[in-house]
This record gives sequence, C-alpha cells and structure tokens, in this order.
Amino acid sequence: AQSVTQLDSQVPVFEEAPVELRCNYSSSVSVYLFWYVQYPNQGLQLLLKYLSGSTLVKGINGFEAEFNKSQTSFHLRKPSVHISDTAEYFCAVSARGSTLGRLYFGRGTQLTVWP
Amino acid sequence: GAVVSQHPSWVICKSGTSVKIECRSLDFQATTMFWYRQFPKQSLMLMATSNEGSKATYEQGVEKDKFLINHASLTLSTLTVTSAHPEDSSFYICSVRERGSGRNEQFFGPGTRLTVL
Repeated sequence: AQSVTQLDSQVPVFEEAPVELRCNYSSSVSVYLFWYVQYPNQGLQLLLKYLSGSTLVKGINGFEAEFNKSQTSFHLRKPSVHISDTAEYFCAVSARGSTLGRLYFGRGTQLTVWP
Repeated sequence: GAVVSQHPSWVICKSGTSVKIECRSLDFQATTMFWYRQFPKQSLMLMATSNEGSKATYEQGVEKDKFLINHASLTLSTLTVTSAHPEDSSFYICSVRERGSGRNEQFFGPGTRLTVL
C-alpha cells in the first residue's frame, strides 16, 4: 500500500511571500502524485499532478511542485501567495497500474495567508 | 477537468431517518466512483469504491448495511445513509474516475453536508 505524510498541519504566511507545503510518500511501486485544494465546505479541486516526464510540474493558480524520487517527495510551491490561496491542501498518491486507481491522502495542510 | 455534481449540497434530518445522496458525472462515463467521509479539520476517509454493475467494496470498519451504495449507471452513484444517527453527521464527498483512464485521476464532487438531529 501507499502512504502520504504532510509534515505541516498549518502554514501561516504573509501575502506576497513564497510558500512551500511539504509532502513525502511511501510506496513499493511507482506512483502518480497529486495536489488538491479544498476551500471551506467545498469538494477537492485538482491543483496539479505528476504522471511521468518532467519532474517539475506546473499547475493552476501559479502553483508548482517537484517530484523527487530519491527523496520520495512532492513538495508544493508558490513564489508569491495571495489571500485567496487560503485553503486546505491535500497531497495524494496512487499506484501506477492500480486497477481501481485508489488515492491515498495526507492529513492536509491548512495554508493561511495574512494581509 | 470533469464535472461532478452532488445532490443535495446539504441536508438536515431527524435521527432514525434515511438519507440518499446522489453523485453524478456530468460529462463523461465513470467506471469507478469513490465515496469519502470527512470530519472537520481532517483528511478524507475512503468509505467505499463502487464499479458500475457490481457491488461496492467497503473499507474496513464501514458498515455496508448502514451505508448503501448503488452504482446505477456509468454516470450515477448513490449513497444512502440508513437509520441515520447524530454520529453520522459529516461531510460526504464523492469522486469519479473516467472510464478508460489509466492515470488514476479522480474528479471530486462539491460534497454534501449531512446533519442528523
């Protein structure tokens, strides 16, 4: 099975500052990696995904993430955050070749952007 | 990305009643649908996986007789919470996986807030 660790449960940051949300995973097989964002009382929206190819992945809203196989990490970054980025962020992993495509989620990181 | 709808978006019911939540894939055929439960300030907990035309597979600890899942078609899955009690109050989210997709991408519905009084 796979597992995901999001090291920070809360990340406070000031507006226009850079931010990094950390994600490490564990798996005995190759994986796909995802970052989702959840705004209050809403479902999850896909920010970006790593399927194959370039290890630097760009997503929506100016976010990017880098897949590091040796460190089994997939950290999410944004060079300058906005107040509207305040939300819960979930890292998820899925095994390649999985018939059902089950996602394993981290516990989430609450990003709070202060003016 | 794909569009997934859930109905209702919120529901309040009395203890002992049953509640049905619908999950619809609006623009593609979904072979597999997932049902999650989310408690406040916590991650998503997978409850069950349903494939069109077959019985749902429930996660350990989830009562199949209490949480009835019916994957009626390639665009519709329903979750029925039978004889609901206050401890069943939660945020329920469905997701769908596109038919033929080998990339394990899931698209999520907006969620349903269930409050049992």
